[in-house]
Amino acid sequence: DTAVSQTPKYLVTQMGNDKSIKCEQNLGHDTMYWYKQDSKKFLKIMFSYNNKELIINETVPNRFSPKSPDKAHLNLHINSLELGDSAVYFCASSQGATGNTIYFGEGSWLTVV
Amino acid sequence: SQQGEEDPQALSIQEGENATMNCSYKTSINNLQWYRQNSGRGLVHLILIRSNEREKHSGRLRVTLDTSKKSSSLLITASRAADTASYFCATDGNGNKLVFGAGTILRVKS
Repeated sequence: DTAVSQTPKYLVTQMGNDKSIKCEQNLGHDTMYWYKQDSKKFLKIMFSYNNKELIINETVPNRFSPKSPDKAHLNLHINSLELGDSAVYFCASSQGATGNTIYFGEGSWLTVV
Repeated sequence: SQQGEEDPQALSIQEGENATMNCSYKTSINNLQWYRQNSGRGLVHLILIRSNEREKHSGRLRVTLDTSKKSSSLLITASRAADTASYFCATDGNGNKLVFGAGTILRVKS
C-alpha cells in the first residue's frame, strides 16, 4: 500500500500552460508538504499544511497555488508554467509539523519545454 | 539559508568498505535526521537523532551528533551495492520546517 502517492509521475508541458499535481496520503498524518528538488538535487520546501491550514509558505511565485481539500490531500496547481519550473516535485506528510519524520511520495518529474 | 550541508558531495567505494558522510548545520536544533534517496525515487527516512543524544545505531547505520560543533556523521558499515544512493541530512532548526542539505552521492562498486 502506497503511503504517499502523487500523480502524475511524469509531466511534459509547454511554457504558459497550467498544470496540477495531486497528492494523497493514507498514513493519517495531519501535516502535508510540497518540496521542490532542482537539477542539483537541492530539496527546498515550498508549502506546508497542517489540518488543511497553510502554515509554511516559502518565497514561491504566486503562480504556485496549493489546495488542501482535506488533511489527506494536498494538490499543487501551477499557472503559466515557465522553463525554470522544470524540477521534481515531492509531496510528503508527517504527524505534527515540527521536525518529525517526513514520509515522501515518489516525486513528479515536471519538464517545461 | 540552507541549514544542513553534507560532505563530501560524492563518494565512491568498493563493496564491503565503510562509508562516512558528514553534515554541518548552522543553528540550534531539536533533532537531526538522515534520509536516503535512490535514483528516481522519493526520500526515505533512515534515522533520527535528538539533540541530547550523541550516537545512535540502526542495523549497519551509525549516526553521531556533536552539537558543540554543529555537525553529524552517518557511517554505513560493510557497504553493499544496494546502498548506492544520495544521502541527505535534515535539521529542524529553522522554525517548524525541516531543512535539507544538498546531499552526498554514494556509489558502491561491486
